[in-house]
Amino acid sequence: QKEVEQNSGPLSVPEGAIASLNCTYSDRGSQSFFWYRQYSGKSPELIMFIYSNGDKEDGRFTAQLNKASQYVSLLIRDSQPSDSATYLCATGGGGNNRLAFGKGNQVVVIP
Amino acid sequence: GAVVSQHPSWVICKSGTSVKIECRSLDFQATTMFWYRQFPKQSLMLMATSNEGSKATYEQGVEKDKFLINHASLTLSTLTVTSAHPEDSSFYICSARPTGTHTDTQYFGPGTRLTVL
Repeated sequence: QKEVEQNSGPLSVPEGAIASLNCTYSDRGSQSFFWYRQYSGKSPELIMFIYSNGDKEDGRFTAQLNKASQYVSLLIRDSQPSDSATYLCATGGGGNNRLAFGKGNQVVVIP
Repeated sequence: GAVVSQHPSWVICKSGTSVKIECRSLDFQATTMFWYRQFPKQSLMLMATSNEGSKATYEQGVEKDKFLINHASLTLSTLTVTSAHPEDSSFYICSARPTGTHTDTQYFGPGTRLTVL
């Protein structure tokens, strides 16, 4: 059973601060790693993907992958109220086309 | 790019009726699409994997005769909820994986909110 674990939430951060989200996964065969953002009542939206160890930056978002330790993280710099959402970590590449999702981490940015 | 649409966005039906939900990839082809269900304040639950030209693969506990999936083309998959009952009321979300990519990236549709009276 492939498991993706995310910190229990919610995470409250003041506007302008850095929000840090962590995710660990159990399947060492995972090859691709994703972060989705889901606003309340909406469907998930892909915001970042990463395949190689290290950091990947896209605007205010940075994804970090450490395959040896089996964790992937997401940093949101200069957090804005519009970043308030649930962030889903997902892994893929296990050979069945499916993604394994974590339960999500709610982020609340306080103005 | 990578836009997925769903229709309808919401539907209200009477108990016992059937409801069809369409999922379309608008600017890419998708050999594989996925159907999820999400109850309020709960996690995404994968219902089935839909493969173009072949039978869908259902997750354990999902009734294939109740949730009929047809993936007739590389851009369209449909989910039919047959003989819907109030406990089927949920948020149904499809996703599509672009054909030919070497990753498992999935792009989600906007979802369909089903209410069964």
